[in-house]
Amino acid sequence: NAGVTQTPKFRVLKTGQSMTLLCAQDMNHEYMYWYRQDPGMGLRLIHYSVGEGTTAKGEVPDGYNVSRLKKQNFLLGLESAAPSQTSVYFCASSYVGPYEQYFGPGTRLTVT
Amino acid sequence: AQSVSQHNHHVILSEAASLELGCNYSYGGTVNLFWYVQYPGQHLQLLLKYFSGDPLVKGIKGFEAEFIKSKFSFNLRKPSVQWSDTAEYFCAVNTNMFSGGYNKLIFGAGTRLAVHP
Repeated sequence: NAGVTQTPKFRVLKTGQSMTLLCAQDMNHEYMYWYRQDPGMGLRLIHYSVGEGTTAKGEVPDGYNVSRLKKQNFLLGLESAAPSQTSVYFCASSYVGPYEQYFGPGTRLTVT
Repeated sequence: AQSVSQHNHHVILSEAASLELGCNYSYGGTVNLFWYVQYPGQHLQLLLKYFSGDPLVKGIKGFEAEFIKSKFSFNLRKPSVQWSDTAEYFCAVNTNMFSGGYNKLIFGAGTRLAVHP
């Protein structure tokens, strides 16, 4: 049982480049989330999904897109990376309802 | 603005000292409260949670937190810290006041705890 996994662990992009971050969970969770973590700001929700084929905007969705084609996977895309998107990105998942979220190990992204 | 506030951004303690980290929230309605811990280089792990019932909840590694509804607070405590408690601690809230229901966690900014031997 691997829990929540994220790929890649590290990435450096130039401004304007695109990339996709992959999150996978093997706990059969319905809900999945993408957060970004910035110093002094805690974690902020980018997008989330309440089930396969569904997505919704979180607190800071601009510049990101997501897709949930399979229940176990949640992809976060950056179409045209900007330096302001330099951050650590965490994926999480949870059961239906007000339960705790389980986090992945994070992806450190630097945009130059 | 609705928010989760952690008053201490950096805390430095010696081993065996007592710890209390403050957390206040400003949401109405029914709330669920969490403390997560992030050890250096690791992902967030759940320390403890409060959904209902006894407002004093106990978590892993000797941590506890008390929910005081009248003060909108959920402070984290540990009687005697260890060097291994060095980490960043995040308070988080979800509430039925959010559109989409309970599933959105709002995090505080975090408190970095450094414990010196």
